Amino acid sequence: GAGVSQSPSNKVTEKGKDVELRCDPISGHTALYWYRQSLGQGLEFLIYFQGNSAPDKSGLPSDRFSAERTGGSVSTLTIQRTQQEDSAVYLCASSRAGDNSPLHFGNGTRLTVT
Amino acid sequence: GQQLNQSPQSMFIQEGEDVSMNCTSSSIFNTWLWYKQDPGEGPVLLIALYKAGELTSNGRLTAQFGITRKDSFLNISASIPSDVGIYFCAGHQYNNNDMRFGAGTRLTVKP
Repeated sequence: GAGVSQSPSNKVTEKGKDVELRCDPISGHTALYWYRQSLGQGLEFLIYFQGNSAPDKSGLPSDRFSAERTGGSVSTLTIQRTQQEDSAVYLCASSRAGDNSPLHFGNGTRLTVT
Repeated sequence: GQQLNQSPQSMFIQEGEDVSMNCTSSSIFNTWLWYKQDPGEGPVLLIALYKAGELTSNGRLTAQFGITRKDSFLNISASIPSDVGIYFCAGHQYNNNDMRFGAGTRLTVKP
């Protein structure tokens, strides 16, 4: 069956440019999460979507970061005016109900800001 | 949010040895999960624990949800080379939307 799909798998961009990262969750999963993983580090929570509720944006590191989830399915994470410290792997995960259901992760987008 | 303290940071073991790693927190969690991440991939769920005191096995892996609900451990018995990777604990609290992750334990298995 299809898992969580993220695109692109790799993105190299110049400092100051905007980037968009895409996540296709598992069909039927109502909860969607974005995490950031810097090299050799753990996972840093960014944002959480659950159904039609207002997203929990408490983990977004600055106002250059934003995310949308259209139609309760596909999500895009946008980083404006990228900085070198934004370089990391951005992981998307979805879960069945968003309470304590296990998260299923995509393979991530590796972002490199030069 | 509350941090999960995962240890050890890294382990270097011989094939066939047993491995133990753990996570602790100063706060109560209602769910503990253990994930494994291979290079270039997202974390994959190994074991999920939902009840204090619960002990669950998955093949050579055994994990327990601490009775205080503030800790969990993962054991791997008779390690093999494909056990190499980064193991993460994760926890979920009733009053938080996000799943909190430990910093990971990097496991190296020498043949």
